[in-house]
Amino acid sequence: GDSVTQMEGPVTLSEEACLTINCTYTATGYPSLFWYVQYPGEGLQLLLKATKADDKGSNKGFEATYRKETTSFHLEKGSVQVSDSAVYFCALSDQGGSEKLVFGKGTKLTVNP
Amino acid sequence: GAVVSQHPSWVICKSGTSVKIECRSLDFQATTMFWYRQFPKQSLMLMATSNEGSKATYEQGVEKDKFLINHASLTLSTLTVTSAHPEDSSFYICSARTNFEWVADNEQFFGPGTRLTVL
Repeated sequence: GDSVTQMEGPVTLSEEACLTINCTYTATGYPSLFWYVQYPGEGLQLLLKATKADDKGSNKGFEATYRKETTSFHLEKGSVQVSDSAVYFCALSDQGGSEKLVFGKGTKLTVNP
Repeated sequence: GAVVSQHPSWVICKSGTSVKIECRSLDFQATTMFWYRQFPKQSLMLMATSNEGSKATYEQGVEKDKFLINHASLTLSTLTVTSAHPEDSSFYICSARTNFEWVADNEQFFGPGTRLTVL
């Protein structure tokens, strides 16, 4: 079945450092790919998404490019802030983003001042 | 907009009792709600999908008689863990989806989760 593998955490960075959280997937069809973020005490929020190969999703300085050849969707940010501290989940959906979501295990990011 | 709440945020109960968890869409009507379960350091696992006014669709391996789901209105879904046992202890998360045009691609909006501990 479909699956998502993402980098194990936790990840601790200093403010303004570069961030990369790796995510690879296995799917039978052509999935849509997502990054969700969960801030402490809150529900998951959609951070960005890409629905087809070579699409780049971006939001709040974060980016991820849908790489079909490497089945990857790595999350990147050039300069992290303390407010980016959260848990990040990579996910996929085989139905164009409107149906079931398959999640990775999540990666906890802590950014220190 | 698009806020989803869950109640309670945490609950502790004795083995053998039943626990009800509510999921509400506060400012939109949810045509579909999803229930997930999350174990420590594990990913969210979809338990069931519920559409307003119809029976929930359960994922393989999820006991429908154990986890009762009711989606009686467009703003409320409930998950009842019946005869709870320690192995049911987990973090339960709901999400809600609407078909309204202002939401692109029928995005899911997540609640903050409910921590269940069964003694």
